[in-house]
Order: sequence, then C-alpha cells, then structure tokens
Amino acid sequence: DAGVIQSPRHEVTEMGQEVTLRCKLISGHNSLFWYRQTMMRGLELLIYFNNNVPIDDSGMPEDRFSAKMPNASFSTLKIQPSEPRDSAVYFCASTQQGVGGYTFGSGTRLTVV
Amino acid sequence: DAKTTQPPSMDCAEGRAANLPCNHSTISGNEYVYWYRQIHSQGPQYIIHGLKNNETNEMASLIITEDRKSSTLILPHATLRDTAVYYCIVHRGGSNYKLTFGKGTLLTVNP
Repeated sequence: DAGVIQSPRHEVTEMGQEVTLRCKLISGHNSLFWYRQTMMRGLELLIYFNNNVPIDDSGMPEDRFSAKMPNASFSTLKIQPSEPRDSAVYFCASTQQGVGGYTFGSGTRLTVV
Repeated sequence: DAKTTQPPSMDCAEGRAANLPCNHSTISGNEYVYWYRQIHSQGPQYIIHGLKNNETNEMASLIITEDRKSSTLILPHATLRDTAVYYCIVHRGGSNYKLTFGKGTLLTVNP
C-alpha cells in the first residue's frame, strides 16, 4: 500500500494566485481529513468527509478555501485567491471510519509570497 | 471530546524506556485515548489507542489507569528516531470521527 499521497510536496506561489492541493486516499478508506499546521496555531482541522460527503467544514478559515471529493479516492483543497497568511503545511489524512487511527500524508508545504 | 494535559517536553536516554504521561480527567465512558507522534517535517503517525484495557503493539504500550483519568505511553527502548512530538487525544469515535490535536509533548531522545 502506497499510503496517503499528497501533491505537490512544495508549492511557492504569488499572492492572489489560485492554489490546488491534491490528496489520494488509501484504498478502502472512507473518511478524509484536511489539516493545516503552522508554528503559531499547531495542527488545525479544516474539513472532513465521510463517504465523499463533507461532514464538518467549520475549520475552513474563509470563503477563499474550498474542498472537494469528486470520487472515493481523491480530494482537492483549493485556495483562491491565496494570501501570505495561508503559508503553512497542509496535511490530508484518511481512515476507515471506526477502525484504528488516521494515516497522514507527507504534507504540502505552501509558501505564498 | 475531553481535554488532555501533557508536559510540553521530556528527555530520555537512548535505550531506556520513555514514559509519556497524559491527564484526561474529564474523559467520558465512551471516549478512547489515542496517541500519535510527529517526527520533524513529517505527517503525524498513529501509534496506539485504547478504551479501558492496557494495549500493546509493535511500537508502544498504552497504560490506562483504572479510573481512566490518565494514561501513559511507553516506548520500551527509545532510539534517536523516536525524537518527536507526541500527542495524546481523547476521542469518542463513531460518526463524529474527527481528531483535535493539542500541543503535545516534545520527546528528545539523547545519545
């Protein structure tokens, strides 16, 4: 099993540009979580899905952020327009609901200049 | 989910057991205790979880007190690669399956 795969690993973009982060879940997992990590705020849950349906997006900071699960194995997190304060490491994680723990990806380090 | 309290940092000598404490005095009967760790620049890694009984796997042991108000994660023979931030999380599970991470404990394993 390849684990949770995130792309890109690093992204540097200019303020105002659209950024799309991608995540491929582990086969058989039905829950997907997006987290953001900064030194100041630690690990924050942005949104999570069960069976492709968004369950809780209360952590999404503002309307500039959106997330989708077009199918059971793939998700995107989009920021449009991006701002310097969005600079962080973004992690996605998946799990099979009710079984064991989460498996996290390696993260995407986003820098908005 | 109940709140947890962990020391901000701990040190351990390589080859010795590392015992990481966690207080969760407001835990309710259907909440599990989960442990994750995050090695620098990597995503968090699931270690172990338990409800009432002590648990052991290839990575660690989890000891939960009888009243469930505290627990200890034990790494029996710590190595330098175990240097990481360790998070103790209390979580109900079920349909509301989201984990909230606190600040954790930075464990430094020294040679």
